[in-house]
Amino acid sequence: SAVISQKPSRDICQRGTSLTIQCQVDSQVTMMFWYRQQPGQSLTLIATANQGSEATYESGFVIDKFPISRPNLTFSTLTVSNMSPEDSSIYLCSVQLTSDTQYFGPGTRLTVL
Amino acid sequence: DAKTTQPPSMDCAEGRAANLPCNHSTISGNEYVYWYRQIHSQGPQYIIHGLKNNETNEMASLIITEDRKSSTLILPHATLRDTAVYYCIVRVAGKGAQKLVFGQGTRLTINP
Repeated sequence: SAVISQKPSRDICQRGTSLTIQCQVDSQVTMMFWYRQQPGQSLTLIATANQGSEATYESGFVIDKFPISRPNLTFSTLTVSNMSPEDSSIYLCSVQLTSDTQYFGPGTRLTVL
Repeated sequence: DAKTTQPPSMDCAEGRAANLPCNHSTISGNEYVYWYRQIHSQGPQYIIHGLKNNETNEMASLIITEDRKSSTLILPHATLRDTAVYYCIVRVAGKGAQKLVFGQGTRLTINP
């Protein structure tokens, strides 16, 4: 398995501002993913972030709203831009190991006022 | 859309075996069955996965029917800490980045 950490663990933000969420893993991984979990809902994939290439976004998610960086094989960031209360969610990163199994970070709980 | 169907909720007594069913009638020959659980808004925790043979690890057993159209996750001796939402997911393995498509899962409550 992998040890994955996320920062911050939670935050309360004002509408119109942006928040950058960090994801750090304890081993080098090629594939990282960002998911969103809205209140009372299941997880939805935002984008796939592979090192050395642009992130691939799922339908309904755009780079201007959720820019992603992947500077190396152990780190990624997701920015939630120009936030509104509808962005209040848990944001989770996951990594895929060579075993093809994905492991998840603890999540970042975001509340937008 | 998720390719699996699970009951929305189940209850089980502490110390008994919890059997969680999952239907995946449209599963393809190269798709695996994965199980994750999420305890109270924490990150999902990987439990087990399998292709067609039954699998067992330190957490659970996975029983897949011969036609692969359904499976059952078994927690042999459920404890209160097993209370969580359990997700059954089918996914192709070994072909690069393959996203996990989460359904609504089964909310399992272990009762003392």
